Amino acid sequence: EADIYQTPRYLVIGTGKKITLECSQTMGHDKMYWYQQDPGMELHLIHYSYGVNSTEKGDLSSESTVSRIRTEHFPLTLESARPSHTSQYLCASAQRGTDTQYFGPGTRLTVL
Amino acid sequence: EDQVTQSPEALRLQEGESSSLNCSYTVSGLRGLFWYRQDPGKGPEFLFTLYSAGEEKEKERLKATLTKKESFLHITAPKPEDSATYLCAVQGNNAGNMLTFGGGTRLMVKP
Repeated sequence: EADIYQTPRYLVIGTGKKITLECSQTMGHDKMYWYQQDPGMELHLIHYSYGVNSTEKGDLSSESTVSRIRTEHFPLTLESARPSHTSQYLCASAQRGTDTQYFGPGTRLTVL
Repeated sequence: EDQVTQSPEALRLQEGESSSLNCSYTVSGLRGLFWYRQDPGKGPEFLFTLYSAGEEKEKERLKATLTKKESFLHITAPKPEDSATYLCAVQGNNAGNMLTFGGGTRLMVKP
């Protein structure tokens, strides 16, 4: 089981602000993911990474960007937040050679 | 395109009343089917992975089964603490390691 952490857990900000959502895992997993989930709805993949310096966009178009400079760290950045970005953001990781993804607790973002 | 449909959307049970949740899927070559439990305001918690038709896995009161078109999550004698949303996801051969999730079944178990 992965130990995966997300900060902050809750964030309320005004429109136009730049924010970074943090995600870290301590299991040395190569693969990491960001999902967006609205209340009562499916998870949608917005970004993923198969290792350091590797990032790809997922199925759901997103105005966010990600970086993977260290194996354990996969931050997500919104340059200018808008009310349409209000959602829950979930980070996950998986070990190389396996398909099982383990999730962090999520960040609930509200943009006013 | 991989698709996952879960039913029912919501299920209310009395404590001890066994039932099943359904996950129907279409996928271009199944690499794995995953069940997760999600409590309100939290991230999904991994339960099971199934890889081939006929496979079954159990954990406490939960048992997951898999056919070529669907998976069932059987809940035997549920307790109030089993109340949560149960998510199903599939991974196809063409999807890399990306999962396609269903909308979930919200289970409520009353004492």
